[in-house]
Amino acid sequence: AQKVTQAQTEISVVEKEDVTLDCVYETRDTTYYLFWYKQPPSGELVFLIRRNSFDEQNEISGRYSWNFQKSTSSFNFTITASQVVDSAVYFCALSEVNTNAGKSTFGDGTTLTVKP
Amino acid sequence: NAGVTQTPKFQVLKTGQSMTLQCAQDMNHEYMSWYRQDPGMGLRLIHYSVGAGITDQGEVPNGYNVSRSTTEDFPLRLLSAAPSQTSVYFCASSPGGPYSGNTIYFGEGSWLTVV
Repeated sequence: AQKVTQAQTEISVVEKEDVTLDCVYETRDTTYYLFWYKQPPSGELVFLIRRNSFDEQNEISGRYSWNFQKSTSSFNFTITASQVVDSAVYFCALSEVNTNAGKSTFGDGTTLTVKP
Repeated sequence: NAGVTQTPKFQVLKTGQSMTLQCAQDMNHEYMSWYRQDPGMGLRLIHYSVGAGITDQGEVPNGYNVSRSTTEDFPLRLLSAAPSQTSVYFCASSPGGPYSGNTIYFGEGSWLTVV
């Protein structure tokens, strides 16, 4: 069985601070996909990134960066110089490679509040 | 390009009533799924479909039925609504089959309250 744990329920930072959202996962599979999604106050789900378990390279996209460490089963997400618009709930998700990504297991989410 | 369209967006039901949440996608995706999101929790998979005529249960299927008669549509039926089914429901679609880590496209969500 798969499991995704986002231990941080809520995080509050002041604008321009850096913030890291933790994600720890469990799976018996050796190959899998990991995802991060953003859910702003308006409620829709926005895809941020997909990572294949074969690829442990870190990724940077603007102010966003992701650190994937297979040895510790973690896929952490860092926002640099946070902005008020980053306030949202962020979800980490996992899917097995031998299923479709639409059959994913989600963490409970981390609510990020960025104060001006 | 409409993407994934869910209707209705908001619905209030009385306990015991039945209703159908509609979901349609115009991207010719093989894979469609329904999730529910309860307060403070992530999404949990209710049912999914890997193609027309094929459906299967997810993590929390009890109280829900689905069918997939066409590639485009994947309705979710609540046969006898219960307060425990008060939740936000998301329909999703994605291209490809197994071994596909393709992006999931989500609908905007349907807020359902059962009183």
